[in-house]
Amino acid sequence: AQSVTQLDSQVPVFEEAPVELRCNYSSSVSVYLFWYVQYPNQGLQLLLKYLSGSTLVESINGFEAEFNKSQTSFHLRKPSVHISDTAEYFCAVIVTGGGNKLTFGTGTQLKVEL
Amino acid sequence: GAVVSQHPSRVICKSGTSVKIECRSLDFQATTMFWYRQFPKKSLMLMATSNEGSKATYEQGVEKDKFLINHASLTLSTLTVTSAHPEDSSFYICSARDLTGQLTQYFGPGTRLLVL
Repeated sequence: AQSVTQLDSQVPVFEEAPVELRCNYSSSVSVYLFWYVQYPNQGLQLLLKYLSGSTLVESINGFEAEFNKSQTSFHLRKPSVHISDTAEYFCAVIVTGGGNKLTFGTGTQLKVEL
Repeated sequence: GAVVSQHPSRVICKSGTSVKIECRSLDFQATTMFWYRQFPKKSLMLMATSNEGSKATYEQGVEKDKFLINHASLTLSTLTVTSAHPEDSSFYICSARDLTGQLTQYFGPGTRLLVL
């Protein structure tokens, strides 16, 4: 069975500093990878996804993630964070042939401070 | 686009009563909707997959007689927690998949259930 590990439950960072939220997955077959963001009192929103092609994917608000098959990772990065990036970030995976079901990590709380 | 709503956002009920939660896709049609449960500090746990016009598929360990799912139209799925008990208190989240985006799920804001 597949699983998703987000080792950091909380990541505090100062505004304008870079940040990396780590995500590792385990699966014996091909996967599709996602990052979702949950702002306070809101539902999950898709931030970015890797389906195929270029291993580096970007979001419209400056986040990027790189699929690394050898390290089974899909870490999320942003070179300069803003206060408004404070949220819970979830990494998730869909396993090919698994009925398109999302398996989520436990989430990482990103707290951006002044 | 791709907005999913849930109603109610919060509900408090007495033990032994039933609670219905609605999940609606507001601007698209969803052949498939998913119901998740989220515990504090935990990831989302898939409870069941709801397909329009057919019976829901439940994940292992989820009681189908306790968590009744109905997906009667392409824009509405309901989850009914029957004979609720305090251990059913949780955050319930639905998501919907549209007719074209087979891999992307759009999530509702969630429903906080507290059973006294």
